[in-house]
Amino acid sequence: NAGVMQNPRHLVRRRGQEARLRCSPMKGHSHVYWYRQLPEEGLKFMVYLQKENIIDESGMPKERFSAEFPKEGPSILRIQQVVRGDSAAYFCASSRGPNSPLHFGNGTRLTVT
Amino acid sequence: KQEVTQIPAALSVPEGENLVLNCSFTDSAIYNLQWFRQDPGKGLTSLLLIQSSQREQTSGRLNASLDKSSGRSTLYIAASQPGDSATYLCAVGSGGGADGLTFGKGTHLIIQP
Repeated sequence: NAGVMQNPRHLVRRRGQEARLRCSPMKGHSHVYWYRQLPEEGLKFMVYLQKENIIDESGMPKERFSAEFPKEGPSILRIQQVVRGDSAAYFCASSRGPNSPLHFGNGTRLTVT
Repeated sequence: KQEVTQIPAALSVPEGENLVLNCSFTDSAIYNLQWFRQDPGKGLTSLLLIQSSQREQTSGRLNASLDKSSGRSTLYIAASQPGDSATYLCAVGSGGGADGLTFGKGTHLIIQP
């Protein structure tokens, strides 16, 4: 009964490289959310997806960030041309649907050098 | 724009004490409120989810209350144990899940053995 699986746990990228973060939701969950946690900050909502659809991306930076949740496979958060300010913990959560409890993964800690 | 505030930011108490963590939110038009705990370097564990129509939820030694009209929730922990040491996060759902949760910055709790 695996929970939300995120990989990698830690990711180091040089400025200008691309970062790809993967998230497999819990079995039976079709709703995926991405959050970012900056040092000394609370978690900030980035994007909400259902299979093959982006429902709400109001928290996503307009440039360099994109997310997808294909019909098959994990959800991917992609950050192009990373900068030092992108260093943070990125958490994925899944649920059965709106108003259901969110279950979080252990996060991917991105460090940009 | 929803804002969530948690007080206190940090709390240290001896083992065995009962304690209360506070959460307030600015927009009372919410769908639900969820309490999480976060251990260092880990993801979030869902503790309790209160729907907007409910006044409280209980799980073991934990009890969470919700007063939507005043924009407040409390998390009551009875007979605290060292294993309860963690950061406790309050999160408010304002859009039926469509716009994610708004998190407070958390209360860092230490239970002294």
